Amino acid sequence: GAGVSQSPSNKVTEKGKDVELRCDPISGHTALYWYRQSLGQGLEFLIYFQGNSAPDKSGLPSDRFSAERTGGSVSTLTIQRTQQEDSAVYLCASSSTTPGTQYFGPGTRLTVL
Amino acid sequence: SQQGEEDPQALSIQEGENATMNCSYKTSINNLQWYRQNSGRGLVHLILIRSNEREKHSGRLRVTLDTSKKSSSLLITASRAADTASYFCATDGRDDKIIFGKGTRLHILP
Repeated sequence: GAGVSQSPSNKVTEKGKDVELRCDPISGHTALYWYRQSLGQGLEFLIYFQGNSAPDKSGLPSDRFSAERTGGSVSTLTIQRTQQEDSAVYLCASSSTTPGTQYFGPGTRLTVL
Repeated sequence: SQQGEEDPQALSIQEGENATMNCSYKTSINNLQWYRQNSGRGLVHLILIRSNEREKHSGRLRVTLDTSKKSSSLLITASRAADTASYFCATDGRDDKIIFGKGTRLHILP
């Protein structure tokens, strides 16, 4: 079946602009995670959705970052007033159990000029 | 802060040799997983070991877990060029949040 998809694959934006990153999880997966990975670094946890529960937003680095998950499926990560330090690959993962094996999307490479 | 920490940060070995990577973590866990990442994009799940397990095998992979030392190791036997990648450990605890380490970059030399 289809895996996790993310769009866009690459995004170049100017400092101060808002961006939206989209994640389509595997159908039926109740858990969805967003991570950020800077060049050559590990994955930094951002936010975690599980079913209808309130999301765990403890990893969001500032109030410029927000995420929502509509209908328990598609998720959008929004970064307002982007800064150069926001440049990174943003990875989304979903899983059918919590916690369990995560299935990752290909990521969105964000470049803030 | 990140839970898992892999060691070494980078490793280069000759094709055919075994590669061992270690992961240490700080707090109690339910499960520990190992993932592989090629080309800085999506990660691929390799193996999951539960906190009550000590060793697990999958093909050329062998994972051990020592909860008393809060550490795990990933052994790749008879390495191949295709094993060149970054390897991450990930742990989950009471809050079900999965936290990744910084990874080990493995380079298999021909």
